[in-house]
Amino acid sequence: DAKTTQPNSMESNEEEPVHLPCNHSTISGTDYIHWYRQLPSQGPEYVIHGLTSNVNNRMASLAIAEDRKSSTLILHRATLRDAAVYYCILSPNQGGKLIFGQGTELSVKP
Amino acid sequence: GAGVSQSPSNKVTEKGKDVELRCDPISGHTALYWYRQSLGQGLEFLIYFQGNSAPDKSGLPSDRFSAERTGGSVSTLTIQRTQQEDSAVYLCASSLGPAPYEQYFGPGTRLTVT
Repeated sequence: DAKTTQPNSMESNEEEPVHLPCNHSTISGTDYIHWYRQLPSQGPEYVIHGLTSNVNNRMASLAIAEDRKSSTLILHRATLRDAAVYYCILSPNQGGKLIFGQGTELSVKP
Repeated sequence: GAGVSQSPSNKVTEKGKDVELRCDPISGHTALYWYRQSLGQGLEFLIYFQGNSAPDKSGLPSDRFSAERTGGSVSTLTIQRTQQEDSAVYLCASSLGPAPYEQYFGPGTRLTVT
């Protein structure tokens, strides 16, 4: 399984944008890039996923580098509720399991 | 609609006993997954069911662990002869199909082996 590298932790101020980076230099052509987050004492929740093009949804945006070796999750206005561990995961098309790394622990200051 | 549900929410058992953990996936979801998260550890994949295909058991840590999915719906994870290192939160997830469909996670079962 292709690996991802994320910073262990990041800090943000409330109502400011947050850019969470992820490196995945060994990504293969059929790998999707998924982002999940885990709020304290809860199960993970889906945030966004993409393949080649940038993606937007109500929660976040995903910017994918042209060579697909890195991506950035963008939270446009961080709220206190966004404090969580964010996981960047690669999964092949028609694949099943998610292999979670250590993720990035995001703290949001009021 | 209803999300993924798991029972029990908490389970305390003595070392050496067998335990069964239950997962009710979202109706219509063909894929079902089990993961676990030990204290201070990351999320670890255990097993994956997709439709009528043979399950992917590659994440099961030992032959004391097994899982079944009856009728393509409810799943049970069984741990035989529990050990203290089995203490963890066991999470179930379901999805409409394999990747890239998003996985919906249940609240988990916290297992404590004394």
